[in-house]
Amino acid sequence: AQSVAQPEDQVNVAEGNPLTVKCTYSVSGNPYLFWYVQYPNRGLQFLLKYITGDNLVKGSYGFEAEFNKSQTSFHLKKPSALVSDSALYFCAVREGDDKIIFGKGTRLHILP
Amino acid sequence: DVKVTQSSRYLVKRTGEKVFLECVQDMDHENMFWYRQDPGLGLRLIYFSYDVKMKEKGDIPEGYSVSREKKERFSLILESASTNQTSMYLCASSLIVVGQVLHGDNSPLHFGNGTRLTVT
Repeated sequence: AQSVAQPEDQVNVAEGNPLTVKCTYSVSGNPYLFWYVQYPNRGLQFLLKYITGDNLVKGSYGFEAEFNKSQTSFHLKKPSALVSDSALYFCAVREGDDKIIFGKGTRLHILP
Repeated sequence: DVKVTQSSRYLVKRTGEKVFLECVQDMDHENMFWYRQDPGLGLRLIYFSYDVKMKEKGDIPEGYSVSREKKERFSLILESASTNQTSMYLCASSLIVVGQVLHGDNSPLHFGNGTRLTVT
């Protein structure tokens, strides 16, 4: 069965520093991987996805993610954090059918 | 832009009441989903639907039912609300067809802003 793990409940980063939010997955076939962001009192918004092709995926708001098949990881990254990036981030995986499995979320705090 | 609208942002109900959560999407998406979001547990799928009058159980369907009489509307029903159903409920829709890979810039899931339900 497919699964996804976000090992950190919370990540704190100083504004202007690079940030990484970690995600690992487990599937038996080819994974389709996603990152979503949730701002306070809002639903989730799509950031980026990996379906196939280039291992480095670029998404919205300057975020990117690197697919690493050998480490079964899909970490979210940004070269320079903004205070406005503070939010709850969800990694998700889909295998085969439409059912998407979400991680438990990582709260990102960007410190001014 | 896809819009998914959940009829209530906040709802307070009493134990034992029948509760309806409504969700409407305006992009003719085939697939609609209901999730609940709880701290430390992430999003858990309650029910989903691939088409009108079709429904499939998700991971935590107990205590819930759904209705999809029209393509744009997907309702979540709590037949007899209980305090452990206090949660944030998120509706989503998507254009993904079973077995096919979605390409392009379209977001796989479009979410509403959520309904925070409190059962007292």
